[in-house]
Amino acid sequence: DAGVIQSPRHEVTEMGQEVTLRCKPISGHNSLFWYRQTMMRGLELLIYFNNNVPIDDSGMPEDRFSAKMPNASFSTLKIQPSEPRDSAVYFCASTFSGQPQHFGDGTRLSIL
Amino acid sequence: EDKVVQSPLSLVVHEGDTVTLNCSYEVTNFRSLLWYKQEKKAPTFLFMLTSSGIEKKSGRLSSILDKKELSSILNITATQTGDSAIYLCAVDNYGQNFVFGPGTRLSVLP
Repeated sequence: DAGVIQSPRHEVTEMGQEVTLRCKPISGHNSLFWYRQTMMRGLELLIYFNNNVPIDDSGMPEDRFSAKMPNASFSTLKIQPSEPRDSAVYFCASTFSGQPQHFGDGTRLSIL
Repeated sequence: EDKVVQSPLSLVVHEGDTVTLNCSYEVTNFRSLLWYKQEKKAPTFLFMLTSSGIEKKSGRLSSILDKKELSSILNITATQTGDSAIYLCAVDNYGQNFVFGPGTRLSVLP
């Protein structure tokens, strides 16, 4: 089993640029979660999908953030335009009903 | 508002010590409580607890849930430097969400 796959592993870009983070969940999992982790705020849930449908996006900081899940095997998190305060590690996790979440290795994002 | 609280937030011990990490929760629709260990990368799953009073054990780590007190503890005996990590507690809010606590940063000194 390949686990949850995220790309890129690292992203460094300038303020104002569009950033797209990608996630491939574990096959057969029906829920997908996007988290952001910083030293100051810990692990924060941004949005999660159930059967490809966004269920709760109340954690999305503002309109600059958007997420899609066009099919069961792929999701994106987009930031446009990016700002320095968006710098963090972004994790994707997936699960099947009632089971523990499996996390990807994360994308370390630095906005200069 | 659903929340998970962990204590202490930070802990420094020496190899061989025993530590107890605490987690308490307030959620609308509890299904299970989970413990994760996070070293340099992603959190990795340790335990899932659904029933009160039943201890889960894996090597030197053990955990138990008290649904009456809305809490759980994670014990690590005979700590080693490799146990240094952030320990995260999360609650599965039945079909709605996973709510994570802030984590306990454990440092084990040689």
